[in-house]
Amino acid sequence: IVMTQSPATLSVSPGERATLSCRASQSVSSNLAWYQQKPGQAPRLLIYGASTRATGIPARFSGSGSGTEFTLTISSLQSEDFAVYYCQQYNNWPPVTFGGGTKVEIK
Amino acid sequence: QVQLVESGGGVVQPGRSLRLSCTASGFIFSNYGMHWVRQAPGKGLEWVAVISYDGSNKYYADSVKGRFTISKDNSMNTLYLQMNSLRAEDTDVYYCAKDPRSARDGYNFYRPYYFDYWGQGTLVTVSS
Repeated sequence: IVMTQSPATLSVSPGERATLSCRASQSVSSNLAWYQQKPGQAPRLLIYGASTRATGIPARFSGSGSGTEFTLTISSLQSEDFAVYYCQQYNNWPPVTFGGGTKVEIK
Repeated sequence: QVQLVESGGGVVQPGRSLRLSCTASGFIFSNYGMHWVRQAPGKGLEWVAVISYDGSNKYYADSVKGRFTISKDNSMNTLYLQMNSLRAEDTDVYYCAKDPRSARDGYNFYRPYYFDYWGQGTLVTVSS
């Protein structure tokens, strides 16, 4: 299953809303996770089951979608949110597959 | 708290071998399946291999099948990745990652899942 993220780069001002998209080449139901990765760090789980926030993740992060179209929304960007975000499908394997990432940068 | 610490990376010539380790703490290692995921510098994530909590089941990405072997020593709380016949395209940061499902929670190896904790990674550079 090929996962396609858009846009590749998103320029957003602090306090603004960011909307990231992830599309699957075939249905993955709700078996979709989102990760955040900062430079030099490991990915951190944000969302699983398409819309469930992982432990300790702030409420400004929300996920939606099912089937082939998914969205990660950051309601009001904080300075610590500027990072690369990846989606991952876990509906079929092997392999589980990741999207190419969306870099959220400061506008 | 959960900690995963990878080691064993370095510079290796094409065709040679390397073994990565991932030492786990903060959870009952023997109850959880584990994965290796890699990332080329500045690039995206690629899943490499998975092993079930008891080591009885394994899957590999096609790109490494027949060259890499995943294993885990539950007595040592350590996950391994034996990498043979290394190629330039294996140059990546290698992360170990934990499956969130415990063997006590109806773990099903044949159903894929996400990763709830990741190590900090170890860099493998394959170059002559």
